[in-house]
Amino acid sequence: SAVISQKPSRDICQRGTSLTIQCQVDSQVTMMFWYRQQPGQSLTLIATANQGSEATYESGFVIDKFPISRPNLTFSTLTVSNMSPEDSSIYLCSVEDSPQGVSYNEQFFGPGTRLTVL
Amino acid sequence: AQSVTQLDSQVPVFEEAPVELRCNYSSSVSVYLFWYVQYPNQGLQLLLKYLSGSTLVKGINGFEAEFNKSQTSFHLRKPSVHISDTAEYFCAVSLEGALTFGSGTRLQVQP
Repeated sequence: SAVISQKPSRDICQRGTSLTIQCQVDSQVTMMFWYRQQPGQSLTLIATANQGSEATYESGFVIDKFPISRPNLTFSTLTVSNMSPEDSSIYLCSVEDSPQGVSYNEQFFGPGTRLTVL
Repeated sequence: AQSVTQLDSQVPVFEEAPVELRCNYSSSVSVYLFWYVQYPNQGLQLLLKYLSGSTLVKGINGFEAEFNKSQTSFHLRKPSVHISDTAEYFCAVSLEGALTFGSGTRLQVQP
């Protein structure tokens, strides 16, 4: 299975600033995903990031607030822009690992970035 | 659209006792089913998955789950839990590339 790392692991930020989270995978993957996990809550998909195309955002999430880059098959970034305390969450990236090209939608997750906005 | 319901938000259990964490899903078509575990301050780890075939699937750390199509359930079980199993458990279904998660069940194993 793919090994995923995220930077930073945690950060405390001031209201109105922006933070870029990096996600690095040890193998080439087509589909990468970004999730938000608010305190005590389940995971909510923010967007799907495929290399070579614009990210696809879920309802309630917009590109101006959460711009995503996917420059190659092993790396992606998520920026949380103009932050407010409501953005305090854990942000996780995941990848779909499809053995032999057959997609089962099985995803592997990074360790997450714990963001606190003051 | 699919949805996932985890009926219990918290499950307290004594060490070495059996446990069942319940998961029901709603979908008009066949889906793939997963259980993930999240230990404190960590990301999600895949416990097990049902893709097709045998309805009883075995995962890591002694966990297993049974897919029941008629009841649209995918309950997670372990015959004897350890203190180290204390974590948040998420059931998830996938269809067309997207994972939908349940609200999670916090398993609290007590000595």
